[in-house]
Amino acid sequence: EPEVTQTPSHQVTQMGQEVILRCVPISNHLYFYWYRQILGQKVEFLVSFYNNEISEKSEIFDDQFSVERPDGSNFTLKIRSTKLEDSAMYFCASSRTGSDNEKLFFGSGTQLSVL
Amino acid sequence: DQQVKQNSPSLSVQEGRISILNCDYTNSMFDYFLWYKKYPAEGPTFLISISSIKDKNEDGRFTVFLNKSAKHLSLHIVPSQPGDSAVYFCATTLRAGNQFYFGTGTSLTVIP
Repeated sequence: EPEVTQTPSHQVTQMGQEVILRCVPISNHLYFYWYRQILGQKVEFLVSFYNNEISEKSEIFDDQFSVERPDGSNFTLKIRSTKLEDSAMYFCASSRTGSDNEKLFFGSGTQLSVL
Repeated sequence: DQQVKQNSPSLSVQEGRISILNCDYTNSMFDYFLWYKKYPAEGPTFLISISSIKDKNEDGRFTVFLNKSAKHLSLHIVPSQPGDSAVYFCATTLRAGNQFYFGTGTSLTVIP
């Protein structure tokens, strides 16, 4: 079964540094998402992306965050200047279309630790 | 602002018995509901879904019930198996293609 792949699985960075989290969504999917889960808390929506632009974003997704689909396969999340509170598991997800009975397929996540 | 609530952080069930996981939501406009299962160090995996026009959907051992008037969703697993031990998240969305709202999860332990 096709799957969403994320790299790296773990990322450790110093506060204030930039990080880029990478994702390869399922190839025929059109909608892409980033979610995160801070340890012990719920899975939170960050951003959705469709047709090469952001379609929706949460209040978490401030100016420090950006997303990009640099080629036909990768979908990246950049955090420009990381803060301690950005430490979380970041999940990429994709879905095929905007039709009914949609479901998200998630990657296995990137654990980001900001020191 | 919790759109989706799972009030039981954990649940333990004997193997072979029924597991019932519950979820409440606040917005009556939510259109589509899903349950995801998550093992440690893995991403959530889709389990079962239901649209707002139905009140029940069944897939093997898993059944999801939707009570729109109560804004309540439940997942029944019967019979429960040790491999079902995981964290279960309910999720919902206003419409396809937009953000999903997740609950905080219920950690299910099925005791052999």
